[in-house]
Amino acid sequence: DIQMTQSPSSVLASVGDRVTITCRASQAISSWLAWYQQKPGKAPKLLIYAASSLQSGVPSRFSGSGFGTDFTLTITSLQPEDFATYYCQQTNGLPPTFGGGTKVEI
Amino acid sequence: QVTLRESGPALVKPTQTLTLTCTVSGFSLTTSDMCVSWVRQPPGQAPEWLARVDWDDDKYYRTSLKTRLTISKDTSKNQVVLTMTNMDPADTATYYCARQVITLVRGVRHYSLDVWGEGTAVSVSS
Repeated sequence: DIQMTQSPSSVLASVGDRVTITCRASQAISSWLAWYQQKPGKAPKLLIYAASSLQSGVPSRFSGSGFGTDFTLTITSLQPEDFATYYCQQTNGLPPTFGGGTKVEI
Repeated sequence: QVTLRESGPALVKPTQTLTLTCTVSGFSLTTSDMCVSWVRQPPGQAPEWLARVDWDDDKYYRTSLKTRLTISKDTSKNQVVLTMTNMDPADTATYYCARQVITLVRGVRHYSLDVWGEGTAVSVSS
């Protein structure tokens, strides 16, 4: 299975901050990567697919980049509703695997 | 509006078989490139993909759980069913079903879980 490693595991931030989360794959996955946001007690929500394509309805302050093994999710100007846990997921093959998560906290 | 809703028991005993049902609306289980996956998330941990059934009835399983999992769909009822045998306390988790779509991006097919159900919490205990 392809292992996905996220860093940091948690980040303290304030409203208006720029936050960057990284995700590294154990082998090259081209651009087969998605990012999800999860709030406590809720299901994950798709933010980004194909490494950099913004899902419909997701605010443009979210962006993704990367190719191969290294990827980033950037949130520009953090909003109160953005405090959540973020997961990357590789979709290159089976099984699709998730990173360990990054909790964005105040 | 696309929705998925999971249903099933909240508590099962060790060694029992778990049966979960995902009822979908707003899309067809037979439309090309439409798939449904099951994903579970143990308390405080990351999600873990379990299985997928495609529009053409192809099925895929997590290798480590393949002997315990069966996924099927009933298109007349708009339902996807997951069974997991020989349940263990380590299987305690919230179980989600999610629509998995295939999107063409610059000529490449990309899979993503674009709509999720609310999840159903399953506890395994005697």
